[in-house]
Amino acid sequence: SQQGEEDPQALSIQEGENATMNCSYKTSINNLQWYRQNSGRGLVHLILIRSNEREKHSGRLRVTLDTSKKSSSLLITASRAADTASYFCATDARYGGATNKLIFGTGTLLAVQP
Amino acid sequence: NAGVTQTPKFQVLKTGQSMTLQCAQDMNHNSMYWYRQDPGMGLRLIYYSASEGTTDKGEVPNGYNVSRLNKREFSLRLESAAPSQTSVYFCASSEFRVNQPQHFGDGTRLSIL
Repeated sequence: SQQGEEDPQALSIQEGENATMNCSYKTSINNLQWYRQNSGRGLVHLILIRSNEREKHSGRLRVTLDTSKKSSSLLITASRAADTASYFCATDARYGGATNKLIFGTGTLLAVQP
Repeated sequence: NAGVTQTPKFQVLKTGQSMTLQCAQDMNHNSMYWYRQDPGMGLRLIYYSASEGTTDKGEVPNGYNVSRLNKREFSLRLESAAPSQTSVYFCASSEFRVNQPQHFGDGTRLSIL
């Protein structure tokens, strides 16, 4: 089963608006990451937040983490048409053996209308 | 700086055929991964290699084998392709630990008829 689940599955907004995506996970983590995937391309790492951090910023991106609720949110401010992509959260979790691995959610498809 | 390079980009196979997907990274990363991406399923880890000379199973290893040829290259082999293996395959790498940021190739789109 997936460790991370994004919400909503799809989001359509106008250029200039803010976009918020949420991620919930099930087990304790060391860190949580967000990735972007443009159509037909590989994933690109956006930001990593550690379990002892509550908020992190990178340019127009703001990520929050609430370990008590096992949830994270990604806020993209002043969105642009170029932000149109799928966004995935990824959490590290013990899977199978002792080594942590990244478990990806199913993603949020963001469409920014010009 | 190419990052992670995957070949081929597209491939169509018949059921029962075999093939090897190639992946190479030029970032001197220690860890490399193979994922498959299916609609509605997100990315699922097939195999990974924490360092040169080691490989380990991920979530969905059945029907696949891997080889960490050297520090740069990590290949994925389908010995007898099945329609259920139709997917987009991504190779990724990270500097050391598996929970560090991963760098992805642009994928191989594989169809099995």
